[in-house]
Amino acid sequence: AQSVTQPDIHITVSEGASLELRCNYSYGATPYLFWYVQSPGQGLQLLLKYFSGDTLVQGIKGFEAEFKRSQSSFNLRKPSVHWSDAAEYFCAVGAYSGAGSYQLTFGKGTKLSVIP
Amino acid sequence: GAVVSQHPSWVICKSGTSVKIECRSLDFQATTMFWYRQFPKQSLMLMATSNEGSKATYEQGVEKDKFLINHASLTLSTLTVTSAHPEDSSFYICSGRPGLAGGGALYEQFFGPGTRLTVL
Repeated sequence: AQSVTQPDIHITVSEGASLELRCNYSYGATPYLFWYVQSPGQGLQLLLKYFSGDTLVQGIKGFEAEFKRSQSSFNLRKPSVHWSDAAEYFCAVGAYSGAGSYQLTFGKGTKLSVIP
Repeated sequence: GAVVSQHPSWVICKSGTSVKIECRSLDFQATTMFWYRQFPKQSLMLMATSNEGSKATYEQGVEKDKFLINHASLTLSTLTVTSAHPEDSSFYICSGRPGLAGGGALYEQFFGPGTRLTVL
């Protein structure tokens, strides 16, 4: 079965600083990878996704992520963080379960705090 | 992007009552809908997967008689929490997947804004 690990529970950065959120996955084949952002009390918004092709993917709000097969990683980056980026970030892997159904498996999330 | 709505946004009910949560895909046909549960400061846990016109498939540990899911049309799925108890209090999020039949990418899901359930 697939799994997702986000090693950092909480990260604090200063506004304007760069950001990298880590994500590692476990899956036997090439997975479909996603990053979502969740503001308090809200649903999930898709930041970016990787299905195939170029391993560096661009998303909304200035985010990008790089798929590294050798490291089973899909880290999220942003060169300059804005105060409005403070939220919870979830990495997810889409894959087929043992029962043959396609589903998303989420990491536990990383809470991002931004210092003005 | 595709839009999914949920109603109500939040609900408070007494223990022992039943609560229905609606999930609608507003501008696409969701051949598959998913229901997730999220506890405070935790990740989303998949509860069940439903395909339009079929019975839902529940994840291990989820009581199908307690969490009734109906996916009667391509734009509407409902989750009914029957005989709710305080331990059912949680944030419930649905998502819809168009799939190839729905004209969308097979592997994309679009999430609703969530429903906060509080059982007193």
